[in-house]
Amino acid sequence: DQQVKQNSPSLSVQEGRISILNCDYTNSMFDYFLWYKKYPAEGPTFLISISSIKDKNEDGRFTVFLNKSAKHLSLHIVPSQPGDSAVYFCAASAGSGNQFYFGTGTSLTVIP
Amino acid sequence: IAGITQAPTSQILAAGRRMTLRCTQDMRHNAMYWYRQDLGLGLRLIHYSNTAGTTGKGEVPDGYSVSRANTDDFPLTLASAVPSQTSVYFCASRAQGGTGELFFGEGSRLTVL
Repeated sequence: DQQVKQNSPSLSVQEGRISILNCDYTNSMFDYFLWYKKYPAEGPTFLISISSIKDKNEDGRFTVFLNKSAKHLSLHIVPSQPGDSAVYFCAASAGSGNQFYFGTGTSLTVIP
Repeated sequence: IAGITQAPTSQILAAGRRMTLRCTQDMRHNAMYWYRQDLGLGLRLIHYSNTAGTTGKGEVPDGYSVSRANTDDFPLTLASAVPSQTSVYFCASRAQGGTGELFFGEGSRLTVL
């Protein structure tokens, strides 16, 4: 059973606008969350993370929001750029040193 | 450049054959992982190792085995490949202790006919 879910397989956004990618999880023990970006024929690369003691983390154009009561996190990209076009995966783990569970990914297309 | 090296990058294999995917990291990370990526299923953990000499099963371990003889190497073996093992395989590593991200290799595309 999928413990981390990304219900939108794809998303298209105009350049300069905000991209919002969503992720839901079912395991209340998850306490560390990450977002990864993946270009075709490359390995996933780390984008941003958040621990359960926070509800927001920012890094430049990227902000991750965590709503623990709803078991939901989202990645905001503002402003979106064509180079942001990629597949985005969210991942979660419970405790340090444990395995990460990944969502199915959302393919973002930023239209110039 | 420090990182993770996977080999081969691509391989076509007849069903029933044995195959080992190699993974080497030079970051001295304690933890290493093998994931497979399939369309519509995302990244699923096959096996992991928290430190040299130990391994554990992930979400989809059947048909795969791993070993961790030293810190740097974490090979994944398919003893008798089947077509359902056609996938892109990613090796990853992580520094042990506290939170931290996974570093991924470039992937190995395996086709089993």
